[in-house]
Amino acid sequence: DAGVTQSPTHLIKTRGQQVTLRCSPKSGHDTVSWYQQALGQGPQFIFQYYEEEERQRGNFPDRFSGHQFPNYSSELNVNALLLGDSALYLCASSVQGVNTEAFFGQGTRLTVV
Amino acid sequence: GEDVEQSLFLSVREGDSSVINCTYTDSSSTYLYWYKQEPGAGLQLLTYIFSNMDMKQDQRLTVLLNKKDKHLSLRIADTQTGDSAIYFCAEMRKGNTPLVFGKGTRLSVIA
Repeated sequence: DAGVTQSPTHLIKTRGQQVTLRCSPKSGHDTVSWYQQALGQGPQFIFQYYEEEERQRGNFPDRFSGHQFPNYSSELNVNALLLGDSALYLCASSVQGVNTEAFFGQGTRLTVV
Repeated sequence: GEDVEQSLFLSVREGDSSVINCTYTDSSSTYLYWYKQEPGAGLQLLTYIFSNMDMKQDQRLTVLLNKKDKHLSLRIADTQTGDSAIYFCAEMRKGNTPLVFGKGTRLSVIA
């Protein structure tokens, strides 16, 4: 049983570019949440997707957008990258309504130069 | 400021017990979690406790919850070098809400 998988593992982008990160949830999970973890900080919630819709959103600008596909996998898109967007981006999957356990992927390390 | 607070560093000797503390501010939190993060890795769920419980034990891990003081602790018995990592406390507030994390406690185990 595969856990939460994210791709790519590392990415380097230039300021102003756009990036897409991908996440496949744990088998049987239908809800995907994205978090940003800056160096030395705890993860900060970006948004959550369920039934292909954004259900909740944290305090992040509209440059951050996402999508969920019918197979429950998800993408995080960031436009007009800033140096401050450099971070570890974590995807967590869970079952809607049964949120006792959220499982995280290994993350994508994004570096903006 | 942070809604969930943790001390940043803890150093223990191999074989001793480690106690990592956390305070949170939302009395309506339903679940409280402990995650472990090793260098360059994602978050590993260690354990969680429901807010109506005082204690939960799982092998070497013991979680204590003092709801009155909004204080959560994680005790690791017989700490090993493989326990060296950053430990995050997180709370889930009432309803289907996202996790709110502390900044993490870096545990160093000295052989």
